[in-house]
Amino acid sequence: AQSVTQLDSQVPVFEEAPVELRCNYSSSVSVYLFWYVQYPNQGLQLLLKYLSGSTLVKGINGFEAEFNKSQTSFHLRKPSVHISDTAEYFCAVSTSYGKLTFGQGTILTVHP
Amino acid sequence: GAGVSQSPSNKVTEKGKDVELRCDPISGHTALYWYRQSLGQGLEFLIYFQGNSAPDKSGLPSDRFSAERTGGSVSTLTIQRTQQEDSAVYLCASSLGRGWNTEAFFGQGTRLTVV
Repeated sequence: AQSVTQLDSQVPVFEEAPVELRCNYSSSVSVYLFWYVQYPNQGLQLLLKYLSGSTLVKGINGFEAEFNKSQTSFHLRKPSVHISDTAEYFCAVSTSYGKLTFGQGTILTVHP
Repeated sequence: GAGVSQSPSNKVTEKGKDVELRCDPISGHTALYWYRQSLGQGLEFLIYFQGNSAPDKSGLPSDRFSAERTGGSVSTLTIQRTQQEDSAVYLCASSLGRGWNTEAFFGQGTRLTVV
């Protein structure tokens, strides 16, 4: 079985500051990793994904994440956030079996 | 279709009534998921359909919950004898299938309110 832990339930940050949202996972098999974003009153949208290859993956809206197998982490980063990045972010993991398991979510609030 | 479609978008029901929530996945997607999202609970997995395999029902919270997927396409989530704690947003997602193709596309959800 797989599990995902998002270490911070809420992250407040000022506009134009850098941000890191942390995600750790556990799995006994190889995994595929995803970050989804949910803006207020909207559905979930894929931000980025790691399937294989380069451990640094870039996504939409200037976000990137780094897969670290030894630390079983997939932290999400952005060097400079905007007010419009205020949303809830979910880390997820799947295996070749296909079932997606999500973390509990991190609410990112960007203050002016 | 262009995306995952869920209906209704909002549903208000009286405690004890049965409700049916519908999900139309993206055409050609073999995998379909139901999740529940409630305040403070994150995304709770309910059930997973993959092609013709037996569904993974391990997330269904009680026997009042059931789901079916007809013809490998449309899915219906049924909640019998609804309780107030069933109030939540029910999200459906679909994907192309296993492994590399597990990127899930989500619908806008059905907001269920049990009064």
